[in-house]
Amino acid sequence: SQELEQSPQSLIVQEGKNLTINCTSSKTLYGLYWYKQKYGEGLIFLMMLQKGGEEKSHEKITAKLDEKKQQSSLHITASQPSHAGIYLCGADYAGNNRKLIWGLGTSLAVNP
Amino acid sequence: DAGVTQSPTHLIKTRGQHVTLRCSPISGHKSVSWYQQVLGQGPQFIFQYYEKEERGRGNFPDRFSARQFPNYSSELNVNALLLGDSALYLCASSLSDSNYGYTFGSGTRLTVV
Repeated sequence: SQELEQSPQSLIVQEGKNLTINCTSSKTLYGLYWYKQKYGEGLIFLMMLQKGGEEKSHEKITAKLDEKKQQSSLHITASQPSHAGIYLCGADYAGNNRKLIWGLGTSLAVNP
Repeated sequence: DAGVTQSPTHLIKTRGQHVTLRCSPISGHKSVSWYQQVLGQGPQFIFQYYEKEERGRGNFPDRFSARQFPNYSSELNVNALLLGDSALYLCASSLSDSNYGYTFGSGTRLTVV
């Protein structure tokens, strides 16, 4: 089984709608990274969370880390077609940011 | 300012052949990590190098090897290619071996036929 579970696996939303992607860990997290990937391309860094209860925002994307639940959520407000892609969460379990364990990703499509 | 550059962008090889993938990190970054991403899955960690030394190795066979040069660029070598090696190979650089915020290259798409 996966150490890091992402949900949903895929998501289709209408432009302008809000959405949330979850990333749940089976072990204690030292750090949690969120990346976005266009099909067949490299990963684009979105945010990194370390402290329990930490919340970061970038433009219309907000990510939170719930340390107690060992879960992070990524929330997109007023989605746009440019938000489409695959969202990946990566976990740092060793506390040294050396080797990230990744979820399987959430594929997001935004219909205009 | 150039980001992480990888070459080639696409590659087709035959089973049993050998392949070398190249990565140039962001200027000033001393750590390079390699990941394999099979279609539909998250990236799998292969290697991390820092200051020309291997700092981490994932669960990959000995057919996979890598090295880092004095200018911090890196090569990933795969011998005796199998069909299952077909994937997107991603390189990520960071300032140190324990630094936040990896920056990824666009990857090399390897197809083994």
